[in-house]
Amino acid sequence: QKEVEQNSGPLSVPEGAIASLNCTYSDRGSQSFFWYRQYSGKSPELIMSIYSNGDKEDGRFTAQLNKASQYVSLLIRDSQPSDSATYLCAVKGGEYGNKLVFGAGTILRVKS
Amino acid sequence: GAGVSQSPRYKVAKRGQDVALRCDPISGHVSLFWYQQALGQGPEFLTYFQNEAQLDKSGLPSDRFFAERPEGSVSTLKIQRTQQEDSAVYLCASSWGLGGDEQYFGPGTRLTVT
Repeated sequence: QKEVEQNSGPLSVPEGAIASLNCTYSDRGSQSFFWYRQYSGKSPELIMSIYSNGDKEDGRFTAQLNKASQYVSLLIRDSQPSDSATYLCAVKGGEYGNKLVFGAGTILRVKS
Repeated sequence: GAGVSQSPRYKVAKRGQDVALRCDPISGHVSLFWYQQALGQGPEFLTYFQNEAQLDKSGLPSDRFFAERPEGSVSTLKIQRTQQEDSAVYLCASSWGLGGDEQYFGPGTRLTVT
């Protein structure tokens, strides 16, 4: 079992729809959770961080955390073609210490 | 303000050559991390500095890899006797706090070993 798992996709959604990206992790002691966006040929860009159970909203992005289920998700509302990228879930804390442990990423394609 | 910078952006090395990759973190960031990213994969941790102290080097794949941050600011990742399997993007990230907090990535160095 991988430490952080994501569906590789591609996830295709029409412009204006809600994109839902999911991530599960194996270490129950994990404390911090992050979503990064990575355009092709570019480096990861931090878009959301979440530390406690529940929802956290920032503009069109909502991160959801459920520690009991070891599950993190990212919702993108009103998806735009410019949102097309790979979305990386990352986890920190617990047995991982200060390093980030990443999933392999989900490719999102928003079609206009 | 300025973000994390890395140089060179691209490096082609012949197998067996030594390379040095530089990272300049965001000013004032205490923590600095190196990651390696293979095509189609998420970044994988290599090593971590808190100021000038290297606190975790568990991700370095072999003793050919060496990192330093002598003055607690700029860091260099050195790879000796490069092999083809070292071809990857090397990413540097920095964060403000001692515990790491949110990490911000530089543009990366794409290393190709021929």
